[in-house]
This record gives sequence, structure tokens and C-alpha cells, in this order.
Amino acid sequence: QSVLTQPPSASGTPGQRVTISCSGSSSNIGSNYVYWYQQLPGTAPKLLIYGNNQRPSGVPDRFSGSKSGTSASLAISGLRSEDEADYYCAAWDDSLSGVVFGGGTKLTVL
Amino acid sequence: QVQLVQSGAEVKKPGASVKVSCKASGYTFTGYYMHWVRQAPGQGLEWMGRINPNSGGTNYAPKFQGRVTMTRDKSISTAYMELSRLRSDDTAVYSCARVVGDSNALDIWGQGTMVTVSS
Repeated sequence: QSVLTQPPSASGTPGQRVTISCSGSSSNIGSNYVYWYQQLPGTAPKLLIYGNNQRPSGVPDRFSGSKSGTSASLAISGLRSEDEADYYCAAWDDSLSGVVFGGGTKLTVL
Repeated sequence: QVQLVQSGAEVKKPGASVKVSCKASGYTFTGYYMHWVRQAPGQGLEWMGRINPNSGGTNYAPKFQGRVTMTRDKSISTAYMELSRLRSDDTAVYSCARVVGDSNALDIWGQGTMVTVSS
């Protein structure tokens, strides 16, 4: 059971916009930054979003993050086949004094 | 370039310990926290803890408290994660990851070390 809750799966067709949700609590998302990671099959996770909505250099602006209260979302616009991957949200949790991850969302591009 | 290179795969028996190394290069090792994350086969990411390479201070996830020890050797820019009293459900890929600035965002990852626990 993950501390942060994500839907196990999401899907979309090329060019579409999809969103992935991440629900937490006041001790994590509600009071700290949210991060998003993309993990392609057989590879290490890649940081997509930090500071709720900031993109590291090299991450396309098709990827965007937002946060409201104790929930966050990752939006991917102009969906491409290469976006098919697992996506994880994460945040620091003040009660646990550590990082907590969502269970991950498998994105399928139809 | 900035990179983290981990030690090779390990096979251990239940009850044994494993120590994974993570050698940093291309940046000031003592300037950034190092985190450890594991991923069991077919499962999600699980945070184990972090170490301040400068002070040696650590934070461990409650689940691993008492079984995990994170250390570092500043002279060779290397961080270590040791997990004791291994069980079969500790079989996973163990990865080190460096943070972005003073945040908890993990931007540079090691290649991962597969640890298999089997009798």
C-alpha cells in the first residue's frame, strides 16, 4: 500500500492529452513539493517534474505538473508512442521524515 | 559528466547481509544528498533512505530502520548501502540517486544493482 495514490493505468491515443493523478495528505503533498518520474521499461527512473511544476532541462514542455491541496497531477499533451512508460509521483512526508512514492501508473499509447 | 556507478549484481542467502556501493563522479560529492531507492521485480519504487555525504547524517524509512545502514567514504566519493537480515522479499534492484540542489528531487541515478535473495 503506497502512501501516495495513483491510478494503476492510463491510456490515450497519439496527439491526445492525458492526465495522471496523485493523491496524498497534509503531511506530504499538502505541505511539500511534488516530483514526477518517468520509467521506461528496463531503465532507471527519469526526473520529469520537480517543485510541483518545474521541468528539468531537456524535458519537453508537453509534460506539465500541477498541485492543489493534497493532490497533484501530471499532464502529457501531444501524446507520443515513446511516452509509453510507468509514471511515479513522489513527495517528502513530514510525519515519516522521508520520501514517499505513489504506486505508479502504467501509461499505454493506443 | 555527472554519473553514479554502482557495484555489480549480488546473490545472497536469507539472513545474510549485502553492501552496495555507488561511486560518484563529475560533481562535488559532498554537496548533494544521496538517496537509495529499491524496486522489486514488477513492483513500484520504494524509498529506503538518504545520507548527507558531507556530515554522514542519515534518514531511514521506518520500514528499514534497524536493518539498513548508509555510509560514505568522502576520499573516494563513494556511498554505500548495507541491508542486513535479508529475506526473499528483499530481492530487488537497488539504486542510488543524487538530488537536485537542496530538494528531494532525484535527477541523477545509478544503473541499479540487482540483489537476489535465495536459498
